[in-house]
Amino acid sequence: KAGVTQTPRYLIKTRGQQVTLSCSPISGHRSVSWYQQTPGQGLQFLFEYFSETQRNKGNFPGRFSGRQFSNSRSEMNVSTLELGDSALYLCASRGGNYGYTFGSGTRLTVV
Amino acid sequence: GEDVEQSLFLSVREGDSSVINCTYTDSSSTYLYWYKQEPGAGLQLLTYIFSNMDMKQDQRLTVLLNKKDKHLSLRIADTQTGDSAIYFCAEIRQKGGGADGLTFGKGTHLIIQP
Repeated sequence: KAGVTQTPRYLIKTRGQQVTLSCSPISGHRSVSWYQQTPGQGLQFLFEYFSETQRNKGNFPGRFSGRQFSNSRSEMNVSTLELGDSALYLCASRGGNYGYTFGSGTRLTVV
Repeated sequence: GEDVEQSLFLSVREGDSSVINCTYTDSSSTYLYWYKQEPGAGLQLLTYIFSNMDMKQDQRLTVLLNKKDKHLSLRIADTQTGDSAIYFCAEIRQKGGGADGLTFGKGTHLIIQP
């Protein structure tokens, strides 16, 4: 069974640009959530989608947005990038009452 | 407090047992998790425990849950060099309408001495 796939693995962007990250969950999983990992703040919850609807949102500015498609694939978008947005962005999928399975992440560097 | 708390570092000798501790915050948390992260990698789910359990054992891993003290621990028996990683404790906090995503501790760096 394929795991959670995140693309791209690495990304370098310039301040002010926008970026879109993609996540394909495990087949059959309908819940996808996103997390930001930085050395200073650790792992922080961004948002969770279930059946194309955002269920919960963490404490991040409106520059961070996401969506989920009918095939459960999800994208997150960050607009007007800031240096502080440099981080590892992790996507997790969940099926039923069980643990969240994470992808390998997308490492975003903003210069 | 608001945070899930873990010690930042733990150093053990190869072959000994490692015990990583965590204090969580939400007494209504239904599931508690342990994740492992190796350098440059994502998070690997090691094990989880449902809140109505006191203990769960899975091969070399033993999870103990003390709900009264909101204390969770992970014991790794016969620690090997491949266990060297950062270990994260996580809880799901409940709020009106559903869960609020995973809340993680800062992670414990497990260092293995030969």
